[in-house]
Amino acid sequence: SQELEQSPQSLIVQEGKNLTINCTSSKTLYGLYWYKQKYGEGLIFLMMLQKGGEEKSHEKITAKLDEKKQQSSLHITASQPSHAGIYLCGADTGAAGNKLTFGGGTRVLVKP
Amino acid sequence: DGGITQSPKYLFRKEGQNVTLSCEQNLNHDAMYWYRQDPGQGLRLIYYSQIVNDFQKGDIAEGYSVSREKKESFPLTVTSAQKNPTAFYLCASRRARWETQYFGPGTRLLVL
Repeated sequence: SQELEQSPQSLIVQEGKNLTINCTSSKTLYGLYWYKQKYGEGLIFLMMLQKGGEEKSHEKITAKLDEKKQQSSLHITASQPSHAGIYLCGADTGAAGNKLTFGGGTRVLVKP
Repeated sequence: DGGITQSPKYLFRKEGQNVTLSCEQNLNHDAMYWYRQDPGQGLRLIYYSQIVNDFQKGDIAEGYSVSREKKESFPLTVTSAQKNPTAFYLCASRRARWETQYFGPGTRLLVL
């Protein structure tokens, strides 16, 4: 299995509804980064979490890192068409080297 | 504006040809990274560099080469040994470990 698993792989949500994406690690997360990507473009940084139990919000997006630091969730409230795209989580797991591990991504489609 | 630039946006490679993708950053970041993204998948690390004149192989380095002669530049060469080079290539940089990694806009490589 992959070191960093994202679920679901894709989802379709009606505009105005909430959605949640999960990122689960087989190792302790020392830093967890959420990014958004539109097709054919680079990744845009959303939020970084480092402490167990930490929660951050920006506009309608909230990210949490659980107490055991092995799972993070990204929650979008009252989704809008602008929230459509691919969401990726990246993690510092303490492995040797200054590098991140990435999940497979979650493709979000918002239906008007 | 501070940021990461990648060129070209699209690149076409002929059989047996080596091609070089450019990545430049003016963020004064020490670490730079190259990732490959295939359709519907997450990011896979090709090479990374933590300091000038030093770089390490990532998970899929075969068929690729890099150099880091200047802090702001980290070009990636896709050699003829890379048999399946068609993908979206992303460059990233980071000031230090445990800090956010920022991405360029990407280069799409296609084989003629």
